[in-house]
Amino acid sequence: GENVEQHPSTLSVQEGDSAVIKCTYSDSASNYFPWYKQELGKRPQLIIDIRSNVGEKKDQRIAVTLNKTAKHFSLHITETQPEDSAVYFCAASTGNTGFQKLVFGTGTRLLVSP
Amino acid sequence: EPEVTQTPSHQVTQMGQEVILRCVPISNHLYFYWYRQILGQKVEFLVSFYNNEISEKSEIFDDQFSVERPDGSNFTLKIRSTKLEDSAMYFCASRPRGQADSPLHFGNGTRLTVT
Repeated sequence: GENVEQHPSTLSVQEGDSAVIKCTYSDSASNYFPWYKQELGKRPQLIIDIRSNVGEKKDQRIAVTLNKTAKHFSLHITETQPEDSAVYFCAASTGNTGFQKLVFGTGTRLLVSP
Repeated sequence: EPEVTQTPSHQVTQMGQEVILRCVPISNHLYFYWYRQILGQKVEFLVSFYNNEISEKSEIFDDQFSVERPDGSNFTLKIRSTKLEDSAMYFCASRPRGQADSPLHFGNGTRLTVT
């Protein structure tokens, strides 16, 4: 089955710096790659996603890139702010058409220091 | 914006007891999921459900687990005889379609503590 690896496990940056989180996946049939932000004790919230027919997507300070050949995708956060501090999970959607499920990475704890 | 709602927010139970976790998916969604997250770990898939039957389940979802959609709105996860290692946050999720371009919406979760 699908396996999603995520690095780094923790990331500390200064406010205003950029942060990059990387994920790799194993199933070449995976075709949807969302990123979720989870604050302590709360549910995962979708922040950006990318389909397999797109190489890059941007939404204000957040961007995601996808390299299908290498089977990896990355989250880029620019001009980080303290409120960006959270755990970020990547995921890959896999399974039979109509019954796709998400397989999550192990998470990255991002700490943005003022 | 419509939300997936889960009750209770926190459930404490003794080992060996049965628990039922409840979820109300977003009303026009057709695909339902349960995920769990042990404290400090990743979100793990348990089961997916469509058209009143399980479409896929993980190895975690053994005979102690069951899901049901007893009426048109509720979606429940039952653990028949809880174990200490069942302590986790359980998230219900739904999506309008099963295809990949259909984002998954999570509820706020039920924190299950087994003592």
